[in-house]
Amino acid sequence: EDKVVQSPLSLVVHEGDTVTLNCSYEVTNFRSLLWYKQEKKAPTFLFMLTSSGIEKKSGRLSSILDKKELSSILNITATQTGDSAIYLCAVDGSSNTGKLIFGQGTTLQVKP
Amino acid sequence: DGGITQSPKYLFRKEGQNVTLSCEQNLNHDAMYWYRQDPGQGLRLIYYSQIVNDFQKGDIAEGYSVSREKKESFPLTVTSAQKNPTAFYLCASRHRALDQPQHFGDGTRLSIL
Repeated sequence: EDKVVQSPLSLVVHEGDTVTLNCSYEVTNFRSLLWYKQEKKAPTFLFMLTSSGIEKKSGRLSSILDKKELSSILNITATQTGDSAIYLCAVDGSSNTGKLIFGQGTTLQVKP
Repeated sequence: DGGITQSPKYLFRKEGQNVTLSCEQNLNHDAMYWYRQDPGQGLRLIYYSQIVNDFQKGDIAEGYSVSREKKESFPLTVTSAQKNPTAFYLCASRHRALDQPQHFGDGTRLSIL
């Protein structure tokens, strides 16, 4: 059975800290891995990773995929209170249906 | 502005009642998806549709039904057969041919009266 596991499930840090969120997966036909940020409502897209070892970066956020280890990490440097959210990892293991398998999410709280 | 609109934001269901959640998109996306989110469980796929007049069951389709009569619209009906409907429901869409990521609406929170 295809599955995606995120760790930790929750995390509390202080502003300015650096955090690393983990995502591991077991899927039959890997196509891509996606990271989303969910505050109160709609998850918003952060990154889509398809190739191993290539870092994707957007401001203070970065992510990298390791296909050998079947995992990905999401790094957030110099955290701010606005980074407080649920971070969702999802894997597309379909044959072009776009069906995503989501992990449980990591709830990040950044304290001032 | 282009986007995905879900309505209503909050919905209450009485015992034995069917309710319909609306999802409309003006992004010209061909594929649309419905997810259910429960606390601590991430998102689970209910139904998805890749083209008009065609849809497939996801992992937790029992007690739900959908239709796809127009490209822009993918309504979800929560039937009385769904015994535990209290959850946050999210609709998503994507441009299938361009292999783009899914983008989400703001969700509907459904509760039992």
